[in-house]
Amino acid sequence: EADIYQTPRYLVIGTGKKITLECSQTMGHDKMYWYQQDPGMELHLIHYSYGVNSTEKGDLSSESTVSRIRTEHFPLTLESARPSHTSQYLCASSEYSTEAFFGQGTRLTVV
Amino acid sequence: DQQVKQNSPSLSVQEGRISILNCDYTNSMFDYFLWYKKYPAEGPTFLISISSIKDKNEDGRFTVFLNKSAKHLSLHIVPSQPGDSAVYFCAAEDYGQNFVFGPGTRLSVLP
Repeated sequence: EADIYQTPRYLVIGTGKKITLECSQTMGHDKMYWYQQDPGMELHLIHYSYGVNSTEKGDLSSESTVSRIRTEHFPLTLESARPSHTSQYLCASSEYSTEAFFGQGTRLTVV
Repeated sequence: DQQVKQNSPSLSVQEGRISILNCDYTNSMFDYFLWYKKYPAEGPTFLISISSIKDKNEDGRFTVFLNKSAKHLSLHIVPSQPGDSAVYFCAAEDYGQNFVFGPGTRLSVLP
């Protein structure tokens, strides 16, 4: 069973607010990812990390930022939320050349 | 340009029959392929994977076939059950790099 957790599961927030989506894993995986998915659409990689102090932007441009100060923790921050940020955000982790384990996701709605 | 394609957005199958989900890829450097299942408002769940050195991998009701020359893989579910109704994502990895996901196929298993 995957030990990767995302909080909150659901978030409704006003435009302009700063938010941080939390993601933690207890498997000791070096690689962690953030994906964004709109309903019925594919998963788009927005950030990834290969280890502590390593962060890179993914294929889909995003106004969010990430940090990786500890192996187990990979939070995503939006400095000023906008309605266009409304989406589902999925965090995942993996070792090299093995399957990725996903968290339950955070459904973000910006009003 | 989509590197992983799932050309059928949806598929309906009778309970007890075989479900076949297809996936095509364009990048010949991909060496590891995975199938994920996703319910709405949840994170994807890993189902089964296959390395490029194999052409078949089986796990219970799920079998994945890989045809490297055709750059094609398929997931067979036998027998299909109503609980299998979900969106199925095909994914590929290039020598320990990031995963690339297809757009998904929505499977409906009818009782």
